[in-house]
Amino acid sequence: GAVVSQHPSWVICKSGTSVKIECRSLDFQATTMFWYRQFPKQSLMLMATSNEGSKATYEQGVEKDKFLINHASLTLSTLTVTSAHPEDSSFYICSVMAGTGNLIWTFGSGTRLTVV
Amino acid sequence: AQKVTQAQTEISVVEKEDVTLDCVYETRDTTYYLFWYKQPPSGELVFLIRRNSFDEQNEISGRYSWNFQKSTSSFNFTITASQVVDSAVYFCALSARDTGRRALTFGSGTRLQVQP
Repeated sequence: GAVVSQHPSWVICKSGTSVKIECRSLDFQATTMFWYRQFPKQSLMLMATSNEGSKATYEQGVEKDKFLINHASLTLSTLTVTSAHPEDSSFYICSVMAGTGNLIWTFGSGTRLTVV
Repeated sequence: AQKVTQAQTEISVVEKEDVTLDCVYETRDTTYYLFWYKQPPSGELVFLIRRNSFDEQNEISGRYSWNFQKSTSSFNFTITASQVVDSAVYFCALSARDTGRRALTFGSGTRLQVQP
């Protein structure tokens, strides 16, 4: 089945530094990847959609210069939180969509980011 | 626009009780997918079911069952003879084409606590 690997599973960083989160599809080609953010006791909110080889599409209210998304290959997408601040502390989850007629969605295991 | 409503924020039951989690969705698309996910404290999303909009058959999987009714735009989830291990947050989600993207839109989640 479709397997998505997300790393790191947790990270603590200092305010003002940048953090990169990786999302890899291990056994299939991921033409479309999604990044979600989940604050404590809240739902998953879509941040952006990325397609391989093109610029990501950000949801309203998500700063594209702060949350840099790179989807350079069919198996890897990265989310970089630049100049992180405590309010960026959250759970970040990637999701991969694959297939044509019969679409499948698979989620990574998530990254818990704490900015101190 | 698409929207998923889970009106029950939190439910508490005693072990062996049956419990139903409600989900109401909105979409203008005629082709869409509905999902249920379980999110334990670890944060990882556990896939439970996916239902295509053309398939209104109810489904049973062990102690889990789902009731899909297009007439009321509902996709409810029932756990029979609940167990402590069922304690988690449950999310209903929708993927449709009317927004031009296929990312999942999540409901706000229902936190289920099963007491021993």
